[in-house]
Amino acid sequence: DIQLTQSPSSLSASVGDRVTITCRASQSMGNYLNWYQQKPGIAPKLLIYAVSTLQSGVPSRFSGSGSGRDFTLTISSLQPGDFATYFCQQSYNSPYTFGLGTKLEMK
Amino acid sequence: QLQLHESGPGLVKPSETLSLSCTVSGGSISSSNIYWGWVRQSPGKGLEFIGSIYYSGNTYYNPSLKSRVTISVHTSKNQFSLNLSSVTAADTAVYYCARLRYSGDYGLDYWGQGTLVTVSS
Repeated sequence: DIQLTQSPSSLSASVGDRVTITCRASQSMGNYLNWYQQKPGIAPKLLIYAVSTLQSGVPSRFSGSGSGRDFTLTISSLQPGDFATYFCQQSYNSPYTFGLGTKLEMK
Repeated sequence: QLQLHESGPGLVKPSETLSLSCTVSGGSISSSNIYWGWVRQSPGKGLEFIGSIYYSGNTYYNPSLKSRVTISVHTSKNQFSLNLSSVTAADTAVYYCARLRYSGDYGLDYWGQGTLVTVSS
């Protein structure tokens, strides 16, 4: 199975900050890397698929980049509704696997 | 707007079979290039992909669960279902059904609200 390691596991930031979350894979994965946002008690929401393609309806302050084993999710200017947990997920190899998440908290 | 909704018992006894259904509304379960899957989330193991199914009946199961999992599709009801046998406390989790585009290449773009299943006597 492909292991996905996210860093940091938690992060404190303020509204307006630029935030970057990293996801490192145990092997090269092409562009089959997706990002999700999850708020407490709610199902994950797809933000970005195929490394950098924004899902319909997702604000442009979210962006993704990377290749090979290293990928990043960037939020250019944090908004109040962005405080949540973020997960990466690979669809390169079965079984699909998820990172353990990065909890983004308000400073 | 596509919606998915899980249903089933919230409490299952150890060694018994967990059975959940997912009803799809606002779209057809028989759509081309769309797969339907199950994901679970527990504090101990995070998010875990259980398996998926195409409307034709083709399935994929996570090898870690394969011996205990069956996913079925019921096109006339626009539903698909999950059976997980011989459950233990380790199977306690929130179970989500989800839609996968192109078998998941483009992520899981629609999710049900999730249902908590507790395994306990």
